Amino acid sequence: DTEVTQTPKHLVMGMTNKKSLKCEQHMGHRAMYWYKQKAKKPPELMFVYSYEKLSINESVPSRFSPECPNSSLLNLHLHALQPEDSALYLCASSQDGWQAQETQYFGPGTRLLVL
Amino acid sequence: GEDVEQSLFLSVREGDSSVINCTYTDSSSTYLYWYKQEPGAGLQLLTYIFSNMDMKQDQRLTVLLNKKDKHLSLRIADTQTGDSAIYFCAESRYGGATNKLIFGTGTLLAVQP
Repeated sequence: DTEVTQTPKHLVMGMTNKKSLKCEQHMGHRAMYWYKQKAKKPPELMFVYSYEKLSINESVPSRFSPECPNSSLLNLHLHALQPEDSALYLCASSQDGWQAQETQYFGPGTRLLVL
Repeated sequence: GEDVEQSLFLSVREGDSSVINCTYTDSSSTYLYWYKQEPGAGLQLLTYIFSNMDMKQDQRLTVLLNKKDKHLSLRIADTQTGDSAIYFCAESRYGGATNKLIFGTGTLLAVQP
């Protein structure tokens, strides 16, 4: 099983709403990632968790709050977002983030629209 | 600079070969990757190459690496309409705590029947 699942597939929210994106993998991976992808652009790394600890935060605004409750689950809590935050949010996982060669497996993404 | 560059668009006829090019920046990158993204979907790993290799072949895919020029290419033989997608190269960089992928700008491959 090399599947990474993400829910919801689509999300529309207002600027005052609070919502969460969820990601799950059952490959025994210990590294999980959040990426943001705008239309016609490459994915941009937001956060990396390794062994349930935040190891990389790419200077992401605090209105995005990641959480890794266990090694299989990764959440992204959203609060007071702006319309420019509308994008495809991709989750990925890999072995542990420390190997020289690690394949990252991506989920299908959550398409977020902020009104 | 930080950018990993790719040409924006490539159009080929079904059955022809496609060659997608990538110029990366970090000479210390140990692994380089090619991912495929179909419309509305996540990224699918196609293949990767270790930096001490010049070439890797995997069925219809051939990866060529010129480390001196920091140039990577992906050749798809006998291109099919199902190969139409955006292709991203990516280099692996050490992020200070864990490794991270830096993606290229992406190439849209359009395959004409």
